[in-house]
Amino acid sequence: KAGVTQTPRYLIKTRGQQVTLSCSPISGHRSVSWYQQTPGQGLQFLFEYFSETQRNKGNFPGRFSGRQFSNSRSEMNVSTLELGDSALYLCASSLDRLVTDTQYFGPGTRLTVL
Amino acid sequence: KQEVTQIPAALSVPEGENLVLNCSFTDSAIYNLQWFRQDPGKGLTSLLLIQSSQREQTSGRLNASLDKSSGRSTLYIAASQPGDSATYLCAVGNAGGTSYGKLTFGQGTILTVHP
Repeated sequence: KAGVTQTPRYLIKTRGQQVTLSCSPISGHRSVSWYQQTPGQGLQFLFEYFSETQRNKGNFPGRFSGRQFSNSRSEMNVSTLELGDSALYLCASSLDRLVTDTQYFGPGTRLTVL
Repeated sequence: KQEVTQIPAALSVPEGENLVLNCSFTDSAIYNLQWFRQDPGKGLTSLLLIQSSQREQTSGRLNASLDKSSGRSTLYIAASQPGDSATYLCAVGNAGGTSYGKLTFGQGTILTVHP
């Protein structure tokens, strides 16, 4: 079974631009979560989607948004990029947010904002 | 608000040693606790998942324990190898409707196993 895939793997953008990242979950998984990882803040939760609905959102500004499609693939968008948005963006999928579910992570998208 | 702390921040050991990584959390109302491994510049690999009703889980040379009442978990690695060198992350999944899909992570322990 294929794992979680994320595209692109690397991105370089300039301040003020916007970016869209994509995540394809493991087949059959309906929950997709997104995280931002930086050296200073570590791993921080962005949001979670299940059946095209956002069920939970972390403490990030409205410039960060996401969506999920009917095939469970998810995208996240960051508008008006700032230098501080440079990070590794990870997505994770699971069958559902139940006690038995392990979250499986993708390889991440490395975003550099110049 | 859940907070997760990992000690030590870094650990360097010779090959063959048994070692223990520690994780503590402030809110005991958890669903589960996961241990992950992260290699430099890579994503996270799940090592062990412990449900809140369990006391420990084992996989090969790894054993993770959970003491919910004291807010602690330990990851025991037996007979360490250079290939075990990585950052080890502890993450907690909380109960409650506002916790869907959310794991709260510690800052990690950077492990170096030298030959």
